[in-house]
Amino acid sequence: AQTVTQSQPEMSVQEAETVTLSCTYDTSESDYYLFWYKQPPSRQMILVIRQEAYKQQNATENRFSVNFQKAAKSFSLKISDSQLGDAAMYFCAYRSATGTASKLTFGTGTRLQVTL
Amino acid sequence: AAGVIQSPRHLIKEKRETATLKCYPIPRHDTVYWYQQGPGQDPQFLISFYEKMQSDKGSIPDRFSAQQFSDYHSELNMSSLELGDSALYFCASSLIVDHLGNTEAFFGQGTRLTVV
Repeated sequence: AQTVTQSQPEMSVQEAETVTLSCTYDTSESDYYLFWYKQPPSRQMILVIRQEAYKQQNATENRFSVNFQKAAKSFSLKISDSQLGDAAMYFCAYRSATGTASKLTFGTGTRLQVTL
Repeated sequence: AAGVIQSPRHLIKEKRETATLKCYPIPRHDTVYWYQQGPGQDPQFLISFYEKMQSDKGSIPDRFSAQQFSDYHSELNMSSLELGDSALYFCASSLIVDHLGNTEAFFGQGTRLTVV
């Protein structure tokens, strides 16, 4: 079974600064997807960024980028130029690329605070 | 763009009662997932359906059942409710493409179930 670990329960960053959220995972599979989801106080689950394991290039979405280290099974999220609206719970998630309707396995989350 | 619709948004039930949660996936999406998120916890996978057939099963209690109908909407039926069933229940939908072409899951806004 796959596991996802987020070792930082809470992080804080000043507005306009950069912060990195850590995520490690354990799997014996070679084909999979990794995601970062954002859950603001509204509790809506919002996809932030996605990485395919077969791609060596790190995914980037505007101010959000990842550092994907497949051998180390590490998948960190970097948020640049942090904004107040970035304050939320961030979940790292794993999904197998084999089989149909593969479920997401989530980490325990990191609560990000953004200060002025 | 149309999103995943869940109803009701809030539900209050007494212990031992029955609840039915509904999920309407994004049009043309053929896969539905149900997740349970307890207070302060990460979402836990319950069950998924692909083309109206159960695809995968997670930590879903025997008191719960679910199905996907011909119009692809899904219902989660919960009987003999317990206080511990109080949680946010998410439905997500996706479109299965093919191996390594799976698309990401889009989440609904969730149904907040409170058992008193």
